[in-house]
Amino acid sequence: GNSVTQMEGPVTLSEEAFLTINCTYTATGYPSLFWYVQYPGEGLQLLLKATKADDKGSNKGFEATYRKETTSFHLEKGSVQVSDSAVYFCALSRGTGNQFYFGTGTSLTVIP
Amino acid sequence: GAVVSQHPSWVICKSGTSVKIECRSLDFQATTMFWYRQFPKQSLMLMATSNEGSKATYEQGVEKDKFLINHASLTLSTLTVTSAHPEDSSFYICSASPPVGSPSEQFFGPGTRLTVL
Repeated sequence: GNSVTQMEGPVTLSEEAFLTINCTYTATGYPSLFWYVQYPGEGLQLLLKATKADDKGSNKGFEATYRKETTSFHLEKGSVQVSDSAVYFCALSRGTGNQFYFGTGTSLTVIP
Repeated sequence: GAVVSQHPSWVICKSGTSVKIECRSLDFQATTMFWYRQFPKQSLMLMATSNEGSKATYEQGVEKDKFLINHASLTLSTLTVTSAHPEDSSFYICSASPPVGSPSEQFFGPGTRLTVL
């Protein structure tokens, strides 16, 4: 079956610290992988995505590389800001029109 | 980019009443829309897949008679929570899938917070 396992939180970091949120997946075939971010009281926003192995998605200083050999899509950012405080969801999709499978979400709090 | 809206964003109702939530794709046609439910501090759980012009496909454990889904057009899907009870209080999020041929992605609405008293 299809599933996403995500690092449990909550994660608390000081401003400018390095961030890693681990994500591994199980899927048949070749899924697309996504990171979504949810700010308090809001819906999900796409942060970045990768559609094939070795692709690197990047946005707003965040990066994640699609690693087929380790079935992983870890999220990283070199220097976090207070405004990055949110819940981050890793997800996979099997293709256009197919459902998404979400990880449990990781809450990140960045303190000044 | 593609925009999905939801209405209302927040609703409070009395136990036993029905509530309708709308999900619209504003600048693209969506043959498929999805409805999710999110409990506090938890992930999104897929409730049903809504296909334009046909019956929705419900996930196991979701009561189709309680959560009525209608996908009447390529830009609108509605979720009606019938005879709502306090345990139905949750954050409901819809998403819409772009037309076939576009990169695999879903666009999410901002969510509707339902509180049943």
